Amino acid sequence: KAGVTQTPRYLIKTRGQQVTLSCSPISGHRSVSWYQQTPGQGLQFLFEYFSETQRNKGNFPGRFSGRQFSNSRSEMNVSTLELGDSALYLCASSFIGTQETQYFGPGTRLLVL
Amino acid sequence: AQTVTQSQPEMSVQEAETVTLSCTYDTSESDYYLFWYKQPPSRQMILVIRQEAYKQQNATENRFSVNFQKAAKSFSLKISDSQLGDAAMYFCALCNFGNEKLTFGTGTRLTIIP
Repeated sequence: KAGVTQTPRYLIKTRGQQVTLSCSPISGHRSVSWYQQTPGQGLQFLFEYFSETQRNKGNFPGRFSGRQFSNSRSEMNVSTLELGDSALYLCASSFIGTQETQYFGPGTRLLVL
Repeated sequence: AQTVTQSQPEMSVQEAETVTLSCTYDTSESDYYLFWYKQPPSRQMILVIRQEAYKQQNATENRFSVNFQKAAKSFSLKISDSQLGDAAMYFCALCNFGNEKLTFGTGTRLTIIP
């Protein structure tokens, strides 16, 4: 069974631009969560989707948004990029939610210049 | 609010020896789940072990076991017979039941000395 895939793997953007990251969960998984990992703030929860509905959201500004499609694939969007948005963005999937084992993707490394 | 604290930024252990990584947490909920995740240099997060708070028995997965002290809100990870492949960042994490939010600690970097 294929694992969680994230595209692109690396991305360079400039301040003010917007970016969309994609995550394809393991087949059959309906829950997708997103995390931001930075050296300063560590791993922080962004949001979680289940059956196209956002069930929980972390403490991030409205510039960070996401969605989930009917095939459980998820995208996250960051508008008006800031230098501090440079991070590794991790996606994780599970059957029903974060209380289960989550399977993580390899991440997308975003650099904002 | 839920918090997870890992007080050991770095640990090292001789190959084949045993090491224990510490984790304390705080939550107002009585039903929750605790995890240890491993992140090797490839940055791919991998679940090491999972513990349901309502279970008194400590979880075990091969060479990995936990010491779960619910009253003390402590959740340490013991790695027996350490191997070179165990070298990684280890993150302790907490999820309250019904709240799809995973809170991570700051991590412990484990080095295995050959």
